[in-house]
Amino acid sequence: GAVVSQHPSRVICKSGTSVKIECRSLDFQATTMFWYRQFPKKSLMLMATSNEGSKATYEQGVEKDKFLINHASLTLSTLTVTSAHPEDSSFYICSARGGGADNEAFFGQGTRLTVV
Amino acid sequence: GQSLEQPSEVTAVEGAIVQINCTYQTSGFYGLSWYQQHDGGAPTFLSYNALDGLEETGRFSSFLSRSDSYGYLLLQELQMKDSASYFCAVHGSGNTGKLIFGQGTTLQVKP
Repeated sequence: GAVVSQHPSRVICKSGTSVKIECRSLDFQATTMFWYRQFPKKSLMLMATSNEGSKATYEQGVEKDKFLINHASLTLSTLTVTSAHPEDSSFYICSARGGGADNEAFFGQGTRLTVV
Repeated sequence: GQSLEQPSEVTAVEGAIVQINCTYQTSGFYGLSWYQQHDGGAPTFLSYNALDGLEETGRFSSFLSRSDSYGYLLLQELQMKDSASYFCAVHGSGNTGKLIFGQGTTLQVKP
């Protein structure tokens, strides 16, 4: 099956710093990637849709200046959490489609962000 | 608004059959998917229904009734490794790829 690689898997950063998370489609081209956030024992909340070569589309309530998304190529999307605060600590997961049937999304391994 | 309802927890024994229901209320609908997620891991795709009826994939089957805004995931011959969280997810209209997830059902399989 199609593979989506997300890096890093875990990161600890200090309050006020920025953290970049990468999401790569390894064996297919993904014109669209999606970024989700998940709190413990909770659902995946869609944050934004990342479109190759254009601006990301953010869901209501998600601060676009806080969560910067760049989709510079057909295989890479990045999420940068800027000026991180402890409340940004969460599990961030990306997904991409294009590696199989249209209805199937392939998820990265997720990134556990802890802001101290 | 958009909402998906599924039970928070289900417990069953090895070898049994379990059904996880999902009702949805969304502004657009293209299809219903099911995903499995083990603790700390990535969601993995299980099944997809766009039309009414039953889709069977090995031990897992999924059903959809669009008129009732209802679907379920059926897991047969349960194994210990099936202990995980199961999410239903609605594909919004237009097949944009956006998924709206339910809250998830934690399945615990006991010996």
